[in-house]
Amino acid sequence: KAGVTQTPRYLIKTRGQQVTLSCSPISGHRSVSWYQQTPGQGLQFLFEYFSETQRNKGNFPGRFSGRQFSNSRSEMNVSTLELGDSALYLCASSLGGPRGYEQYFGPGTRLTVT
Amino acid sequence: KQEVTQIPAALSVPEGENLVLNCSFTDSAIYNLQWFRQDPGKGLTSLLLIQSSQREQTSGRLNASLDKSSGRSTLYIAASQPGDSATYLCAVTGEDSGYALNFGKGTSLLVTP
Repeated sequence: KAGVTQTPRYLIKTRGQQVTLSCSPISGHRSVSWYQQTPGQGLQFLFEYFSETQRNKGNFPGRFSGRQFSNSRSEMNVSTLELGDSALYLCASSLGGPRGYEQYFGPGTRLTVT
Repeated sequence: KQEVTQIPAALSVPEGENLVLNCSFTDSAIYNLQWFRQDPGKGLTSLLLIQSSQREQTSGRLNASLDKSSGRSTLYIAASQPGDSATYLCAVTGEDSGYALNFGKGTSLLVTP
């Protein structure tokens, strides 16, 4: 079974631009979560989607948004990029969500904002 | 607010040693705890998931225990190998985090030949 895939793997953007990251979950998984990883803050939760509905959202500004499609693929968007948005963005999929199911992570998208 | 702590932050051991990584959490109302490893610049690989009703889980040379009442989990690695070198992260889901993993900062492990 194919694992979680994320595209693109690397991205360089300029401050003020916007960016869209994509995540394809493991086949059959309906839950997709997004996390931001930085050296200073570690792994921080962005949001979780289940069957196209956002079930939970972390403490990030409204510039960070996401969505999930009917095939469970998910995208996250960051508008008006800031230097501090430079990070590794990871998505995780599971059958039913973190509450009871093992989470499987993708390789991440490394975003650099200049 | 749930806080997850991993001690030590870094650990270096010679090959062949058995070792224990520690994870503690402040709120015992958790649904489950999961251990991951992360290689530099890569995503997370799931190692073990322990549900709140379980005491331990085993996979190969790895054994994870959970003591919910004391807010602690340990990851035991037997007969360590250089390939075990990575950062090990524990994460919990609980009532205060809803559908989110709450991570510790990790333990960076180096196993020397």
